[in-house]
Amino acid sequence: AQSVTQLGSHVSVSEGALVLLRCNYSSSVPPYLFWYVQYPNQGLQLLLKYTTGATLVKGINGFEAEFKKSETSFHLTKPSAHMSDAAEYFCAVGKMNTGFQKLVFGTGTRLLVSP
Amino acid sequence: EPEVTQTPSHQVTQMGQEVILRCVPISNHLYFYWYRQILGQKVEFLVSFYNNEISEKSEIFDDQFSVERPDGSNFTLKIRSTKLEDSAMYFCASSSLEAANTEAFFGQGTRLTVV
Repeated sequence: AQSVTQLGSHVSVSEGALVLLRCNYSSSVPPYLFWYVQYPNQGLQLLLKYTTGATLVKGINGFEAEFKKSETSFHLTKPSAHMSDAAEYFCAVGKMNTGFQKLVFGTGTRLLVSP
Repeated sequence: EPEVTQTPSHQVTQMGQEVILRCVPISNHLYFYWYRQILGQKVEFLVSFYNNEISEKSEIFDDQFSVERPDGSNFTLKIRSTKLEDSAMYFCASSSLEAANTEAFFGQGTRLTVV
């Protein structure tokens, strides 16, 4: 079985500060890992994903995440927060080599950015 | 940019009534999914659909739920007799054949409120 734990339901940062959203996963098979963002009244938008290859992946809007197998982590970072980054962020895990995508999501972290 | 669209954005229904949530996946996608998010909880996988049949369903997806692709563009989720605990945000998603297990595009969701 697969699971995802996101530490912190809310994270507050100041504009320009480092953003760090934590995600740890559990998977009995090699995982595919995803970060999705949800802006108010919008759907889930894919930020970035790790499937195979380079463990540091870059996504949209300046976000990046690093897959660390030894720590079973896939934390999301951005060097400098912008007001427009305020949203809910979901980490998710999927399985390699399945014919379709069945994702297991974390509970989400709401990012608050103050001026 | 192509997107998954869901209607309605908000549906209020009385307990025991049937409800149909509608989705228009991205036009060349072949895998379709429903997820739901009960307020304050995780986004949960409900069902995946490919080649006019269910590929996999979760334990949540009991006999009260059904999915259908009635024509070449729509994908629907029907709840036959709604219960209070069915109140949630329901997300539709779709994937292409080539990226079936690495990327899903989500709609903006339908908020279902059962009263």
